[in-house]
Amino acid sequence: NAGVMQNPRHLVRRRGQEARLRCSPMKGHSHVYWYRQLPEEGLKFMVYLQKENIIDESGMPKERFSAEFPKEGPSILRIQQVVRGDSAAYFCASSTEGTGTYEQYFGPGTRLTVT
Amino acid sequence: SQKIEQNSEALNIQEGKTATLTCNYTNYSPAYLQWYRQDPGRGPVFLLLIRENEKEKRKERLKVTFDTTLKQSLFHITASQPADSATYLCALGSPGTYKYIFGTGTRLKVLA
Repeated sequence: NAGVMQNPRHLVRRRGQEARLRCSPMKGHSHVYWYRQLPEEGLKFMVYLQKENIIDESGMPKERFSAEFPKEGPSILRIQQVVRGDSAAYFCASSTEGTGTYEQYFGPGTRLTVT
Repeated sequence: SQKIEQNSEALNIQEGKTATLTCNYTNYSPAYLQWYRQDPGRGPVFLLLIRENEKEKRKERLKVTFDTTLKQSLFHITASQPADSATYLCALGSPGTYKYIFGTGTRLKVLA
């Protein structure tokens, strides 16, 4: 059973370009979470999605950032017009349940560098 | 505002000793607490979950305690090995919510 997959693993973008990060959850998982991690900082929640629904995007900046989890295919985190401050590691996690004592399975992350 | 504190400084211990990591929180009443391990360049890996009504949980060489009065969790690794060297994160959750709040992690280094 393959784990959570993220691609690309490394992404370099120039300021003003778009970054598109993909996450394929574990088989059978319908709950996806996106986190951002800066060096020496903890994981910061960005958005929680179920298939075709955004449940909570309270941790995601209102501008330039969007996320989706279509019926078919991976979850996508899109950052438009990237700025240097967007440079970070972005992790997605998936779970079978959405509340309570669920265990989150994390992907290897996408390291975004904005030049 | 909710705050989670983990030792920001790295913890160095000798192989074979017990490592103890601390997770303190304020302005929060979590019902669940999780511990994760994160290696450089990788995503976190789930280790243990403990509920507020559980004082202690064990898994092989790992032990977690959860003291809701002190607002603290302790994470112990007994008979530590160099392979245990990693960053350990605690994460707090509440009933009916899906959002876990993560601490910044403590870097553990086990010296051979």
